[in-house]
Amino acid sequence: QVQLQESGPGLVKPSETLSLTCTVSGDSVSRDNHYWSWIRQSPGKGLEWIAYIFYSGSTNYNPSLKSRATISVDTSKNQFSLQLTSVTAADTAVFYCARVTRFGSGSSNSYAMDVWGQGTTVTVSS
Amino acid sequence: EIVMTQSPVTLSVSPGERATLSCRASQSVSSNLAWYQQKPGQAPRLLIYGASTRATGIPGRFSGSGSGTEFTLTISSLQSEDFAVYYCQQYNNWLLFTFGPGTKVDIK
Repeated sequence: QVQLQESGPGLVKPSETLSLTCTVSGDSVSRDNHYWSWIRQSPGKGLEWIAYIFYSGSTNYNPSLKSRATISVDTSKNQFSLQLTSVTAADTAVFYCARVTRFGSGSSNSYAMDVWGQGTTVTVSS
Repeated sequence: EIVMTQSPVTLSVSPGERATLSCRASQSVSSNLAWYQQKPGQAPRLLIYGASTRATGIPGRFSGSGSGTEFTLTISSLQSEDFAVYYCQQYNNWLLFTFGPGTKVDIK
């Protein structure tokens, strides 16, 4: 059974850097049909995709967060991480890590987030 | 940037009734669309990918349809555990993901 678990500080001060780690169990971050992603959900709001990473280190970011977000992977620990710099109160959210799976093959691929962590709440406040 | 809209914002349905949720993309996303269910205090759960393929373990009462810019999630006979918020999500050719704002299905 694949499980993802987020970890990191629950409180971050404004202008500082938010750092979160997702630990993967029951699967390997090095498998080539998965990407590893971060998504956030502000209080009472919808879902916002932040970034994903492939085991090779290839990354992709939400353009609205690209200047502040960095995603990385540690294959030896089977973990991936997110850093978000210069945080403000607007970055207060529940942060989820998720596995993005490529379904199908060839020209008929589909991608979707099929396994999610339980989420971790991060509050930005002094 | 592709913008996703969902309607209605809230759908009030009686148990056993059919629910039809809509998702629209501002430009064609082909069949690059997924549906998720989220209950209060829980992470989202994948229901449908590729616009119409049920994810593993998803009951047959959930079905997805559509392509291009118009998509539908249908729950054929609502069960008590189906009252939740439903999100659609698209990805483009560069594998950039965008979620819709969600539709809340509540008890009528």
